[in-house]
Amino acid sequence: AQTVTQSQPEMSVQEAETVTLSCTYDTSESDYYLFWYKQPPSRQMILVIRQEAYKQQNATENRFSVNFQKAAKSFSLKISDSQLGDAAMYFCAYRRSNTGNQFYFGTGTSLTVIP
Amino acid sequence: ETGVTQSPTHLIKTRGQQVTLRCSSQSGHNTVSWYQQALGQGPQFIFQYYREEENGRGNFPPRFSGLQFPNYSSELNVNALELDDSALYLCASSLRTSGILYNEQFFGPGTRLTVL
Repeated sequence: AQTVTQSQPEMSVQEAETVTLSCTYDTSESDYYLFWYKQPPSRQMILVIRQEAYKQQNATENRFSVNFQKAAKSFSLKISDSQLGDAAMYFCAYRRSNTGNQFYFGTGTSLTVIP
Repeated sequence: ETGVTQSPTHLIKTRGQQVTLRCSSQSGHNTVSWYQQALGQGPQFIFQYYREEENGRGNFPPRFSGLQFPNYSSELNVNALELDDSALYLCASSLRTSGILYNEQFFGPGTRLTVL
């Protein structure tokens, strides 16, 4: 069974600084996708960034980038130039290939941005 | 383009009752997935509906059931409510074509269910 582990229940960062959120996963599959979702207090989950396992290049979306280490089964999210609007719960998620139905989520990391 | 909507926003029920939650999918999406998010936890997959049929199910008992309608909207029904069913219920819509589920999955704002 696939599992996703986020070992940091809470993190904080100063505004304009950089923070890294950790995620590890367990799978025997070779073809899969990894995601970071943001859930602000409004509760609506928003996709931040995704990574295809077959791609060696780390995904980047503006201030958000990932460090994908396939052999180590590690998938961390780096937020640069943190902004107050980045404060939210962040969930790491896994999905098996492009035919897999189910997304597996970690338990989340609560990010506080300090002005 | 309309986003994913869910109703109601909040709901309070008592143990043993039945509840129906509703979800309207994103325009152009034909697949709806339901998740249960307990307090302080990540979402857990309940099931997915595609072409009005259940297309994958997580580790939830049969008292959790669903429907998908021709317009791709969906309902989640929970019978014989238990205290542990108290959670945020999220639906997410996506597009599946030729067996491939695309990664663009859009979530609704959720329904907060409290079971007393």
